[in-house]
Amino acid sequence: DTQMTQSPSTLSASVGDRVTITCRASQSINSWLAWYQQKPGKAPKLLIYKASSLESGVPSRFSGSGSGTEFTLTISSLQPDDFATYYCQQYNSNPWTFGPGTTVEIK
Amino acid sequence: EVQLLQSGGGLVQPGGSLRLSCAASGFTFSNYAMNWVRQAPGKGPEWVSVINGGGDRIFYAASVKGRFTISRDNSKNTLSLQMNSLRAEDTATYYCAKDWGVYRFFDYWGQGTLVAVSS
Repeated sequence: DTQMTQSPSTLSASVGDRVTITCRASQSINSWLAWYQQKPGKAPKLLIYKASSLESGVPSRFSGSGSGTEFTLTISSLQPDDFATYYCQQYNSNPWTFGPGTTVEIK
Repeated sequence: EVQLLQSGGGLVQPGGSLRLSCAASGFTFSNYAMNWVRQAPGKGPEWVSVINGGGDRIFYAASVKGRFTISRDNSKNTLSLQMNSLRAEDTATYYCAKDWGVYRFFDYWGQGTLVAVSS
């Protein structure tokens, strides 16, 4: 199985900050990585797929990069609606696995 | 508008059974693989099972294989998950989730339903 890790587990930031979250895979997953945003009591929402492709309707302040085993999600200017937990997910191989999450909190 | 409306779930004793359902609308249901993904409290999501559009190709996570059964009824646009021999570690919010397309990531999710396994 491909294990996914994320860092940091929690991040404190202010509105307007540039925020970067890192996701690492235990083996190469090429660019087969998605990012999701989840708010309390809600289902995850797809933000990015194929490491850097923005899902339709997602604000352009979200961007993704990376390939192989190391990936990043960047929020260029944090907005109040962005305080949430973010998960990466690999879809290179079965079983399809998620990271443990990074919570972005208000500083 | 794509909608996935879940039903079922609740409190069940260890060893018990439960059935979850997911009613889909807003897209051609039979064209897409559908999944169940669960999330234990305070944890990341865990993929559970997938069934292809035709219903003849199915995969399970090792943690549920032999206990859970995924199925679909394309005439009714519904997805189901039959859960048997439930364990405390199956306690989670369960989501149905639609494959984006060719690749196994998830563009639409149900609202989630809580399954609690406890005596």
